[in-house]
Amino acid sequence: DAKTTQPTSMDCAEGRAANLPCNHSTISGNEYVYWYRQIHSQGPQYIIHGLKNNETNEMASLIITEDRKSSTLILPHATLRDTAVYYCIVRWLMDSNYQLIWGAGTKLIIKP
Amino acid sequence: DSGVTQTPKHLITATGQRVTLRCSPRSGDLSVYWYQQSLDQGLQFLIQYYNGEERAKGNILERFSAQQFPDLHSELNLSSLELGDSALYFCASSVGGQVNTGELFFGEGSRLTVL
Repeated sequence: DAKTTQPTSMDCAEGRAANLPCNHSTISGNEYVYWYRQIHSQGPQYIIHGLKNNETNEMASLIITEDRKSSTLILPHATLRDTAVYYCIVRWLMDSNYQLIWGAGTKLIIKP
Repeated sequence: DSGVTQTPKHLITATGQRVTLRCSPRSGDLSVYWYQQSLDQGLQFLIQYYNGEERAKGNILERFSAQQFPDLHSELNLSSLELGDSALYFCASSVGGQVNTGELFFGEGSRLTVL
């Protein structure tokens, strides 16, 4: 019962910026948006998270719309090693405790 | 290397059997989470333990159980196995009991195949 909507797959040329969109129209005002990625069948890897403001770290940038109903993860200079499934996730209250609810993600393929 | 260790990496067993998956969290992390990932699916949250106590339950079947020991390692027990239980089982850890920062550290998973 994912709370986010992402494209099933995307391609991007190596060296270009990869822009991965995510819709989270039911997100509540105090909920963060998280991004993880999973390379092949390895354990997922945390990328970034944000609430309202745009965020940037050494891996990526996160742009959140003003109404917070959607966001975009930006990998500024994609490399072949960025080929992975990218998950946009929001928290969901479960047993008085927040958990991350995962959807199917976007399969990003970086092409030479 | 996330610092989370899962064993075994691969496991093949038959229907009706019982298996135990083990997870050692990162040093200092008090929470352990278990997830199931079936083929080409997202991760399904199963259960969370914090400092030895069950903190939250997700879509965990009654045939499955888990515990966290005083040394903070955790075990996931799967019994009366069915073909549909074949999946990757991931363990993750975090410092606190709540997913506040969102940064969970995942192990490399245990791939279970039920024949």
